[in-house]
Amino acid sequence: QKEVEQNSGPLSVPEGAIASLNCTYSDRVSQSFFWYRQYSGKSPELIMSIYSNGDKEDGRFTAQLNKASQYVSLLIRDSQPSDSATYLCAVIPMDTGRRALTFGSGTRLQVQP
Amino acid sequence: DGGITQSPKYLFRKEGQNVTLSCEQNLNHDAMYWYRQDPGQGLRLIYYSQIVNDFQKGDIAEGYSVSREKKESFPLTVTSAQKNPTAFYLCASSERQGVSSYNEQFFGPGTRLTVL
Repeated sequence: QKEVEQNSGPLSVPEGAIASLNCTYSDRVSQSFFWYRQYSGKSPELIMSIYSNGDKEDGRFTAQLNKASQYVSLLIRDSQPSDSATYLCAVIPMDTGRRALTFGSGTRLQVQP
Repeated sequence: DGGITQSPKYLFRKEGQNVTLSCEQNLNHDAMYWYRQDPGQGLRLIYYSQIVNDFQKGDIAEGYSVSREKKESFPLTVTSAQKNPTAFYLCASSERQGVSSYNEQFFGPGTRLTVL
């Protein structure tokens, strides 16, 4: 089982819709979770971090964390064509003691005009 | 203008050559990281350093070497022992990680390495 799993997509949504991106992780004691956006050919850009169960909102983005289910999601409201990118979920694997992120393989989002 | 710089942007290597990728940051971050990304894949950790003169292997350290002589610099050498080095290499930095806390990690623009 991979440490961090994401559906590779592509996830296609119409402009103005809500895009829902999901991520599951295997380490039960992970405490810190991150969403990065990566445009084609570019480096990842941090868009959200979440540490506690529940929702965290920042503009059009909402991160949701459920530690009991080992599940973290990212909602993008009012999706725009400029949101078309690959979204990477990342966690810190507390069970290994390694102080660096472990990434999922990413979900490609396509927002159709 | 604070940030992380990587050079060169594109690098071509012949078989059997060692090459060094540069990473510099002026964010005063203690921790620095190197990742590799292959097409359609997530990022895989090569090496990381939480403090000057100390670094740790990541998941795919074989065929790579690093040094951390200065806080702001963390160069990566891709040696001839790395069998398939063609990839996108990303450097990142963060505040030093605590025992039970984690600081956000930020990335440089990357170096695209191609073996000819």
